[in-house]
This record gives sequence, C-alpha cells and structure tokens, in this order.
Amino acid sequence: QVQLQESGPGLVQPSETLSLTCTVSGGSIRLYYWSWIRQPPGKGLEWIASIYYTGSTNYNPSLKSRVTISLDTSRSQFSLKLSSVTAADTAVYYCARGVYDSSGYVVDPWGQGTPISVSS
Amino acid sequence: DIQVTQSPSSVSASVGDTVTITCRASQSITSYLNWYQQTPGKAPKLLISAASNLQRGVPSRFSGSGSETDFTLTISNLQPEDFATYYCQQGYSTPPLAFGGGTRVEIK
Repeated sequence: QVQLQESGPGLVQPSETLSLTCTVSGGSIRLYYWSWIRQPPGKGLEWIASIYYTGSTNYNPSLKSRVTISLDTSRSQFSLKLSSVTAADTAVYYCARGVYDSSGYVVDPWGQGTPISVSS
Repeated sequence: DIQVTQSPSSVSASVGDTVTITCRASQSITSYLNWYQQTPGKAPKLLISAASNLQRGVPSRFSGSGSETDFTLTISNLQPEDFATYYCQQGYSTPPLAFGGGTRVEIK
C-alpha cells in the first residue's frame, strides 16, 4: 500500500528556511492531493499547504507568505519550504495524501512525521 | 471557511467505559465528517469517514453518527489501546483543511 516518508534537517536556525521532502512509495502521485500538516508540541493539527498532482496549490492564509509547496512527479516526491522560521515553527511535520471520494475529502495515509526544532 | 469544534477537550474514563466525543461544524457539511485517532508519538490514523464508515481493521466498538452540523464519535467498551487523542475533520469544502482541536481520552 501507499507509504509516505518525510525527510528533514531536524534543527533549523531562526530566520532560516526550512526544507522538507516527502517520498511517496507503493502508489501513484496521480489523482491525489498531497499535503503538509504540522503539530506543535502538545497542540493540535495545523494544515500548512496542499498540492494537486496537476500542480495546483493551496496554502493556509496564516502561513502563505512564507510557504512554498512543490511536486516532483518523476521522483514521486513533494516538498515544503518555510522561510523566516521562528521558535513558533517548532513542530512535528507530517506529509499526507488527500482524496475526494464518496466520503468527501479524506486524509489517508500519513507519513510518520519528522520533528523540527527551531533554535540557535 | 468551515470550522469544526470538538468537545470535550479531554475526558477521563476507565477500561470498559463508553466515551462520546462531539464535533460541531460551523455550517452544514452533510455527512462529510472524518475522525482520526492519534496515539502518543504516532501519526494520526483515519478511523471513520463520512460520519459513520469504519475503516478496514477498526474495531466495531468504534462508531460514528451525525449529519449536517452535529456529529458524534462513540467508543464502547473502552480498551487500553483506545487511550489516545481523537480529531475530527470536515471533508465537505477544502481548502482550508480544517481539523477540530482534538479530544484526549485519558485513563481514569
């Protein structure tokens, strides 16, 4: 079945740009939405951005000015760049697949998550 | 944008108890409400889609109901592995991808 695996630096300096990659295996990139979702320590889930396999993108308005999501279908990967990071961006970052079906929009599966700490 | 609000934010229960979690949407989302379970240190996992459709492998002690704006997740005969945080998500209109604030089910 489809599996997602995040990769990232673990630690990022304040004001720098965080870069994350999600590798999709066991299934096609086509016909799905691909999202980044984060979870600050002890808090709930926050959607960051999504990209459709056609390249169409959507961003959380609260993060839009700092976020870029992109897709590399040839490598079955999608990526996130978050600029000018601060301690408030410390979180576990998840990548996930989304689909519209008879159940509406469903997020499944999720990657295992990669913890990112912003600190000097 | 459609928001979803969960209650309670946490609940304490014992093994064997029945727990009910509610999710309210800011406008009608027909039956397009999904539930996820997150155990500590793990990613969320889809539990129920379209308000009441149990995903493959999910025990029948989990059930979902509701429509329009009011939805319920019920866990009957609570088991040790059910102590987790549960999130609802509206699947009617995205973006934005909107999750509820979560309900932590704790051991009493």
